[in-house]
Amino acid sequence: AQRVTQPEKLLSVFKGAPVELKCNYSYSGSPELFWYVQYSRQRLQLLLRHISRESIKGFTADLNKGETSFHLKKPFAQEEDSAMYYCALKVTGGGNKLTFGTGTQLKVEL
Amino acid sequence: GAGVSQSPSNKVTEKGKDVELRCDPISGHTALYWYRQSLGQGLEFLIYFQGNSAPDKSGLPSDRFSAERTGGSVSTLTIQRTQQEDSAVYLCASSPFLSWEAFFGQGTRLTVV
Repeated sequence: AQRVTQPEKLLSVFKGAPVELKCNYSYSGSPELFWYVQYSRQRLQLLLRHISRESIKGFTADLNKGETSFHLKKPFAQEEDSAMYYCALKVTGGGNKLTFGTGTQLKVEL
Repeated sequence: GAGVSQSPSNKVTEKGKDVELRCDPISGHTALYWYRQSLGQGLEFLIYFQGNSAPDKSGLPSDRFSAERTGGSVSTLTIQRTQQEDSAVYLCASSPFLSWEAFFGQGTRLTVV
C-alpha cells in the first residue's frame, strides 16, 4: 500500500533562511506527488505538483525516485510562509484518491 | 464562484449520539472525498466517490462510519454512536473528472463530549 512520510511535525526557521520540508513516499509504481498548504484559518489548497515542475511562491520540489523523496524547498523563508504543509501521493489506477502525510507545521520567525 | 461547502462548521455532540455531516461539492465535480484531520495524525482518508462507480470505503475506521452521495452531488457522512476519539475536523474535497487537483471545504469541527 502507498504511504507518505513527513518526519518533522514542526519546523522553525528564521526569516531569510532556507527551508526544506521533507517528504518520503513508498509506492512501487509511478506516483504523482503534490504539496498542499493550509494557512491559518484558510482552507487546504494545492501548492504545487511535481509534474508541473514550477515554482510557486518561491517553493520548488523535485521528485527523486531513487530516494523516493519529494522535498519542498525555498531559498529564503518569508513570514507569510508560516503554515501547515502536507505532502500527498496519487497512484495510477487509484482514481483520484490522494494519500496524505501527517503534515509539517512551518513557523518562520522574525 | 462557490467552492466546496460543508455544514455545520462546528458540531458538539454527546457521546453515543449519531451525527450527520454534509458536503456540497463544486458543481460538475465528479470526485468527492472525505478526510479526517486530527492533531498529530495528519489527513486520514475516509472514503472516495467517483461518478457512478462504487465508492472506495477502505479508509472508514469502523462500521459506525458511513457515507452516501445522492445524485452524484451532495454527500453526507454519518457517524453512529459517536465516541470521544471521533473528535476531529472532517474535511470534504471535490475534484473534476480525471483532474489532479482536489478542492477542499472549510471543514466541520466535531467535538464529542
